[in-house]
Amino acid sequence: GENVEQHPSTLSVQEGDSAVIKCTYSDSASNYFPWYKQELGKRPQLIIDIRSNVGEKKDQRIAVTLNKTAKHFSLHITETQPEDSAVYFCAASILTGGGNKLTFGTGTQLKVEL
Amino acid sequence: KAGVTQTPRYLIKTRGQQVTLSCSPISGHRSVSWYQQTPGQGLQFLFEYFSETQRNKGNFPGRFSGRQFSNSRSEMNVSTLELGDSALYLCASSPVTGNEKLFFGSGTQLSVL
Repeated sequence: GENVEQHPSTLSVQEGDSAVIKCTYSDSASNYFPWYKQELGKRPQLIIDIRSNVGEKKDQRIAVTLNKTAKHFSLHITETQPEDSAVYFCAASILTGGGNKLTFGTGTQLKVEL
Repeated sequence: KAGVTQTPRYLIKTRGQQVTLSCSPISGHRSVSWYQQTPGQGLQFLFEYFSETQRNKGNFPGRFSGRQFSNSRSEMNVSTLELGDSALYLCASSPVTGNEKLFFGSGTQLSVL
């Protein structure tokens, strides 16, 4: 089955700096890669996603890049703010009509310091 | 629209007991997935239901089971609880199966003593 590795497990940055979180996946058939943000005590929320036919996607201060050949994808957050502090999870999935099944990484605790 | 609703929010059980968790998806959503979240393992897929049928199943023992009703509400059951079953159980819904957008509930925190 699919295996997703995520690094680093913790990341501390100064406010205004950039943060990068990296994930690798094992199944070359995976074609959908979402990122979820989970604030302390709250539910995971989708913040950005990318399909395998796209190399990069950006939404304001966040962007995701995908390298299918190397089987890795990354989340980039620019101009970090204290409200960006949370746990971020990457995931991989094979989108078909056969169902939803996300394989998640183990998460990155991002702390944005003032 | 109301979000995904999970009940109860907290549960305390003892080893050997069984437990049933409930999930009401967003109105109109027909796919419901369940995930187990633990500090060390992250989120792990349990199973997915669509139109009252299990579409996918993760690598969990048979003690973990679920079902979906005609109104798309879902329940998951864990029998013969073990200490290692202590976790946050998250339910997520999406409009159809195979759709990428998952909307999570706040979860049920299960503690097994």
